[in-house]
Amino acid sequence: GENVEQHPSTLSVQEGDSAVIKCTYSDSASNYFPWYKQELGKRPQLIIDIRSNVGEKKDQRIAVTLNKTAKHFSLHITETQPEDSAVYFCAARFSGNTPLVFGKGTRLSVIA
Amino acid sequence: DADVTQTPRNRITKTGKRIMLECSQTKGHDRMYWYRQDPGLGLRLIYYSFDVKDINKGEISDGYSVSRQAQAKFSLSLESAIPNQTALYFCATSSPVGADTQYFGPGTRLTVL
Repeated sequence: GENVEQHPSTLSVQEGDSAVIKCTYSDSASNYFPWYKQELGKRPQLIIDIRSNVGEKKDQRIAVTLNKTAKHFSLHITETQPEDSAVYFCAARFSGNTPLVFGKGTRLSVIA
Repeated sequence: DADVTQTPRNRITKTGKRIMLECSQTKGHDRMYWYRQDPGLGLRLIYYSFDVKDINKGEISDGYSVSRQAQAKFSLSLESAIPNQTALYFCATSSPVGADTQYFGPGTRLTVL
């Protein structure tokens, strides 16, 4: 069935450095790729998303890139800050009438 | 997001008990979902409903049932709770209009002793 692999499972970076989280998906027909951030004790919240007709999208310090040929997409966080520490989930939608399939998450720690 | 609410927020119960978790939303979304979160396993889909008359099993539906009482309400039941159902449960909603972005409720922490 549909599958989303997310790496790494944990990531530690120094404050001010960049962080990159990568996801691969199995179905080439996938058309929507959101990223969620879950702070400790909170609900997952959408931080950025990208559709299959776009290669890159930026929002201030975060960006997502999509490589449809290789079937992978990545989250890039620049100039990391302690408040970026959280669990990040990627997801993919394989068709218009199927739910999102989530990766297993990446725990990002930003060390001051 | 205060538009999606879950009750109760925390529940401790015993093995064999029947438990119902409730989700309500004021976003006007047609689509609702129940997820389970366990450490290291991410968000796993239990059931989903694309409208009031539509119920679909997700990845891990065994041991669970759902009821879509209205567009705004979607309940998850554990008919006979067991300890390995101890987890954090999230409800989510979305609308097929636009990006179909999913919005999560605050979660229910369930402990089965």
